[in-house]
Amino acid sequence: AQKITQTQPGMFVQEKEAVTLDCTYDTSDPSYGLFWYKQPSSGEMIFLIYQGSYDQQNATEGRYSLNFQKARKSANLVISASQLGDSAMYFCAMTTDSNYQLIWGAGTKLIIKP
Amino acid sequence: GAVVSQHPSWVICKSGTSVKIECRSLDFQATTMFWYRQFPKQSLMLMATSNEGSKATYEQGVEKDKFLINHASLTLSTLTVTSAHPEDSSFYICSARDLYTQYFGPGTRLTVL
Repeated sequence: AQKITQTQPGMFVQEKEAVTLDCTYDTSDPSYGLFWYKQPSSGEMIFLIYQGSYDQQNATEGRYSLNFQKARKSANLVISASQLGDSAMYFCAMTTDSNYQLIWGAGTKLIIKP
Repeated sequence: GAVVSQHPSWVICKSGTSVKIECRSLDFQATTMFWYRQFPKQSLMLMATSNEGSKATYEQGVEKDKFLINHASLTLSTLTVTSAHPEDSSFYICSARDLYTQYFGPGTRLTVL
């Protein structure tokens, strides 16, 4: 079965600190993609970062990086130097070659404290 | 990144009326678009997959006759909630697929009185 697990329902982090949001996945498909999306209170789902299963290096996009540990089936999102505007829900998601529909985790609510 | 627009962003309607929501990919062509529904404090629930020029594929439990989906062009898909009732009140969000990434519209909050 294909599944995404986010074990942290919520996190409080001090502004300017780095934060790691956990995500583990389960699939038997050798080819898959992992995504992180941010959903602020406005509701819009914002694409942050993508990691392909065959990518050798961890994906990075500005302050976002994806810590991809294939053997552990984890794809944690790291946000460096957190900002107040980072407060939002964060969803980890996956697609596979056999199923291009996004499979979603339950999400993590991140609150950045000033 | 790719931009997806959604219109309207917020709508209130009376019970029994129909509401149409538009989803457009602004700077890319999308052969596949998706419609989701989101309940408070939950992740997105896929309602249907919309393919340009063909009938939509609905997820189990989603009423085809109630949620009409039309994907008339490579940049436009519409969701019509027919004979809306208060239980249809929700946040509806569309996405368009560009290669391997889905880009999402800003969502539509539907309130049925």
